[in-house]
Amino acid sequence: DVKVTQSSRYLVKRTGEKVFLECVQDMDHENMFWYRQDPGLGLRLIYFSYDVKMKEKGDIPEGYSVSREKKERFSLILESASTNQTSMYLCASIRRDSPHQPQHFGDGTRLSIL
Amino acid sequence: GDSVTQMEGPVTLSEEAFLTINCTYTATGYPSLFWYVQYPGEGLQLLLKATKADDKGSNKGFEATYRKETTSFHLEKGSVQVSDSAVYFCARGADRGSTLGRLYFGRGTQLTVWP
Repeated sequence: DVKVTQSSRYLVKRTGEKVFLECVQDMDHENMFWYRQDPGLGLRLIYFSYDVKMKEKGDIPEGYSVSREKKERFSLILESASTNQTSMYLCASIRRDSPHQPQHFGDGTRLSIL
Repeated sequence: GDSVTQMEGPVTLSEEAFLTINCTYTATGYPSLFWYVQYPGEGLQLLLKATKADDKGSNKGFEATYRKETTSFHLEKGSVQVSDSAVYFCARGADRGSTLGRLYFGRGTQLTVWP
């Protein structure tokens, strides 16, 4: 079974802090994704990566950056956290040669910015 | 506009009632279609999928049929249980020819089933 692991289930940070959310997958997937989930808005794509050191902006990249130094790890960075970034963050991965198959999701990180 | 439009909730049903959650999509061509479920405090799990027109996905008593003529993928279950209480997301895959595998999600429908 594919395992996508997000480092924290719950995280509380303060406004202005630099925040790192980590995601690791164990199935050698090339493509990885970061979403945020907000009530009534569904899941919105922040960034994705299709290879090491490669990244692409999703639909709502403002205020975020990402890092993909190793194939298995995809990090989401909030450069200077703000209260409107309080949300649930979900990481997902998929094989490049199976783009029409379902993505595999982690359990999510519920982030609160105070 | 949205790529995926799903019925807004919340939906509240009694146990053993019939469930329908509507979902329609817009796309170029015929993408794969998915229903994901999120139980309280958890991440998303794939519930069922359909990869081509007229396919029927099914799992745990839930079904959805890929209707290209109506661009729809409605979720149904004949008799819901309390344990089905969750948020349900309809999603479509990338357009054919894309290798990125991104998903486009609906806004989610909260289902609560009472005993």
